[in-house]
Amino acid sequence: SQQGEEDPQALSIQEGENATMNCSYKTSINNLQWYRQNSGRGLVHLILIRSNEREKHSGRLRVTLDTSKKSSSLLITASRAADTASYFCATDGDRKLIFGTGTRLQVFP
Amino acid sequence: GAVVSQHPSRVICKSGTSVKIECRSLDFQATTMFWYRQFPKKSLMLMATSNEGSKATYEQGVEKDKFLINHASLTLSTLTVTSAHPEDSSFYICSARDFGRTSNQPQHFGDGTRLSIL
Repeated sequence: SQQGEEDPQALSIQEGENATMNCSYKTSINNLQWYRQNSGRGLVHLILIRSNEREKHSGRLRVTLDTSKKSSSLLITASRAADTASYFCATDGDRKLIFGTGTRLQVFP
Repeated sequence: GAVVSQHPSRVICKSGTSVKIECRSLDFQATTMFWYRQFPKKSLMLMATSNEGSKATYEQGVEKDKFLINHASLTLSTLTVTSAHPEDSSFYICSARDFGRTSNQPQHFGDGTRLSIL
């Protein structure tokens, strides 16, 4: 079953710009995670934010979580062409991870 | 960091063949493994949760007789697609988790298996 929606579905930006992706979910969670997937490959874990946290940073990544609105956002600052990939949020509850619909990010050099 | 190995990475076979995909946790004990299916340009759909030593828990709409899951050890789970047909063609990804650690841990994913049924 699909847990939530992400928007936008696709995003195209120039190198150096910031990219923001949003994720909404439906049920209570223990944590929310963001993953990256290069075309035809497995998933790489980017960042995990717990349900009692509101914001978390990791390098050029910034994640926010609003449990009252059941939403999260991922901000990639100063994007690079190598950031081109699909990004998925995933909610962790009931001992399993359920993925959102994903955002395809294209960063042009 | 934790590594999950998935094999094979690609399979092309004839309709009616059964295909086995292996998922191994290389440097940790995976009390639980998960199998996902992904269609082109779509998200990952959870198929089943596999717990070591017990029967897998399948998500609604997933045929347990079509997708056989075995988790015989703490480091190996297998997914067998039985009597595969073209509609079973997809990208299958496994992930592993050690619930013996604290609950707020990421899952570790294999690189996926692209299955093509002719």
